[in-house]
Amino acid sequence: SQQGEEDPQALSIQEGENATMNCSYKTSINNLQWYRQNSGRGLVHLILIRSNEREKHSGRLRVTLDTSKKSSSLLITASRAADTASYFCATEGKGANNLFFGTGTRLTVIP
Amino acid sequence: DAGITQSPRHKVTETGTPVTLRCHQTENHRYMYWYRQDPGHGLRLIHYSYGVKDTDKGEVSDGYSVSRSKTEDFLLTLESATSSQTSVYFCAISGPTSGGLNTYNEQFFGPGTRLTVL
Repeated sequence: SQQGEEDPQALSIQEGENATMNCSYKTSINNLQWYRQNSGRGLVHLILIRSNEREKHSGRLRVTLDTSKKSSSLLITASRAADTASYFCATEGKGANNLFFGTGTRLTVIP
Repeated sequence: DAGITQSPRHKVTETGTPVTLRCHQTENHRYMYWYRQDPGHGLRLIHYSYGVKDTDKGEVSDGYSVSRSKTEDFLLTLESATSSQTSVYFCAISGPTSGGLNTYNEQFFGPGTRLTVL
């Protein structure tokens, strides 16, 4: 399976703290994406990082990519209760039009 | 949800009955996907379409068929539903659009359909 693996499976932090989630994958990729899913809703795209990029920022989000280790991390700074959700990484393989999703990290931000 | 609707949103059916789920988009995106989401498995691709009447299998296609007769609609059919197909089903779309804007890599998801097979 090309599915990514997120770590940890669940994370609970206080509001204002930073949250870091990690993703490992198995094959060469074109890009890696992070999605958020609120309970009972569809996934929402957060950020995309291409295979030739090492770091990318979007608002309070910071994503890193290490293709030599086949891993990525998502950092959410100054977390808010509204950040409570599940976060998924997804990889697009070389020559593929499809995404392979990990199993997700469940983030709980305590007010 | 980026102009994507799914119907029905909830369905309870019995083993052995046929079920069709519909995904409708108003964004004119070329690619459409069907995923299922189960605890411990994340999202797994069932089938996808890269154009009208052009479809291909995903990771977990057994027991499912799809059809795309026009750009805006992508149907997922369970010919004879089984309890193992109880799941939440998500449709997604991605570009490019007919206008040529390259939102190729990012997928937009519908709200999901919760299917229970008894």
